[in-house]
Amino acid sequence: DTGVSQNPRHKITKRGQNVTFRCDPISEHNRLYWYRQTLGQGPEFLTYFQNEAQLEKSRLLSDRFSAERPKGSFSTLEIQRTEQGDSAMYLCASSSPLLPTYEQYFGPGTRLTVT
Amino acid sequence: QKEVEQDPGPLSVPEGAIVSLNCTYSNSAFQYFMWYRQYSRKGPELLMYTYSSGNKEDGRFTAQVDKSSKYISLFIRDSQPSDSATYLCAMQAAGNKLTFGGGTRVLVKP
Repeated sequence: DTGVSQNPRHKITKRGQNVTFRCDPISEHNRLYWYRQTLGQGPEFLTYFQNEAQLEKSRLLSDRFSAERPKGSFSTLEIQRTEQGDSAMYLCASSSPLLPTYEQYFGPGTRLTVT
Repeated sequence: QKEVEQDPGPLSVPEGAIVSLNCTYSNSAFQYFMWYRQYSRKGPELLMYTYSSGNKEDGRFTAQVDKSSKYISLFIRDSQPSDSATYLCAMQAAGNKLTFGGGTRVLVKP
C-alpha cells in the first residue's frame, strides 16, 4: 500500500496561466476526492468521483476548474486562467466502500502559488 | 455561521500533559466524526474515527462524541513534542464529503 500520491508537490505559475495537478489514489479505492485548503483554514470540499463518475461538485468549483477521472484510477484537476485567489494547497483523498465509515486518506497535497 | 466550529488556538502545553481538543457542529445529518493531524505543509493524517456517541480509545488518543450536544472531543495523553501539529476535526454524512473545522494548532513544549 503506497498511499495517495500527488504531483507536482509545488507549482508556481503566473496569473492567467493554466495548471494541471494529478492524483493517484490508493489502489482499489474507488472514491476519489479533491479539497482545497488555504492558510490557517481547514480543507474545503471541491468535488468527488466514484469510479469514473463525478458525483458531486461544490459551488467553490467555478467554471475555470475541471476535474476528470477517465479510467476510474488517477484523477486530474485543471485550473484555467489562474487568479491570485487560487493560491492554496490542493489535496486529494481516496476511500473504499469496504471501509465501514468511508474513511478518507489524504495525499501530501499540491501547493499552488499564483504570482 | 460555519457548520463546524473549532478553536484555532494555539494551544501550548508542557510535555507529558493532556491535550484537550474539541469541536461543535450544527448539522444533525453528520453521522461520522474524524480527527486528523496535519504537520506544516503536509497532508492531513487520519488519527481517529467514531460513529456513535461515547468514547473510543486508541493508544494515547481518546475520541468522544456527544450527538445530543453536537460536540466532539479528542484527548491526547502523555503528550510529546512530536504531537505538535494542527489538529482538524472532520464530519461526514452518509459516506460522502468531509466537512472540516478550521483546525487547532497545538504546541507541546519539552
